Amino acid sequence: SAVISQKPSRDICQRGTSLTIQCQVDSQVTMMFWYRQQPGQSLTLIATANQGSEATYESGFVIDKFPISRPNLTFSTLTVSNMSPEDSSIYLCSVSRTSGGAGETQYFGPGTRLLVL
Amino acid sequence: GQNIDQPTEMTATEGAIVQINCTYQTSGFNGLFWYQQHAGEAPTFLSYNVLDGLEEKGRFSSFLSRSKGYSYLLLKELQMKDSASYLCALSSGGSYIPTFGRGTSLIVHP
Repeated sequence: SAVISQKPSRDICQRGTSLTIQCQVDSQVTMMFWYRQQPGQSLTLIATANQGSEATYESGFVIDKFPISRPNLTFSTLTVSNMSPEDSSIYLCSVSRTSGGAGETQYFGPGTRLLVL
Repeated sequence: GQNIDQPTEMTATEGAIVQINCTYQTSGFNGLFWYQQHAGEAPTFLSYNVLDGLEEKGRFSSFLSRSKGYSYLLLKELQMKDSASYLCALSSGGSYIPTFGRGTSLIVHP
């Protein structure tokens, strides 16, 4: 398994501001992902965080709105930029140890609960 | 594309057995995951099925029928702590990153 921590655990922000969420893993992992989970909804993949290169974004998510960094194999950040109330959600970091092959278990962080006013 | 369907909510009695169904449509099926998520917590891995049949793991079992696009999670001897959301997730095509269903909220009452 992997122990994953996220900071902050929750925040209340004003519209138009930005928030950076940090994800720290207790050991090196190959794959790191960022998900969003809106109330009553499923987990939606935002992007795959790639070490040393630009993240790979899913349809509907763009780098200008959700810039991601991954400087090494244990750490990543997700920034939610120019926030609006529609960005209120839980943001989860997830990791898998190897190359993400079929059946590879994903481990999730505790999530960051964001409320935008 | 993919489509995953599971009931929104189920209730059951402590000590009973409950079956949570998941149906899906996809091409290039790789495998199907089940995750458990308690309120306010991160999802945790329960099972992964690739081949047809039933896989048992303690009180939890997961079943897969690829021809029918159908899976279920069976929970036996229900305990109050089993109250949680159960997420069905599908891995298919060239991407092994699973796509999650909306989850089934299970409420276990005394």
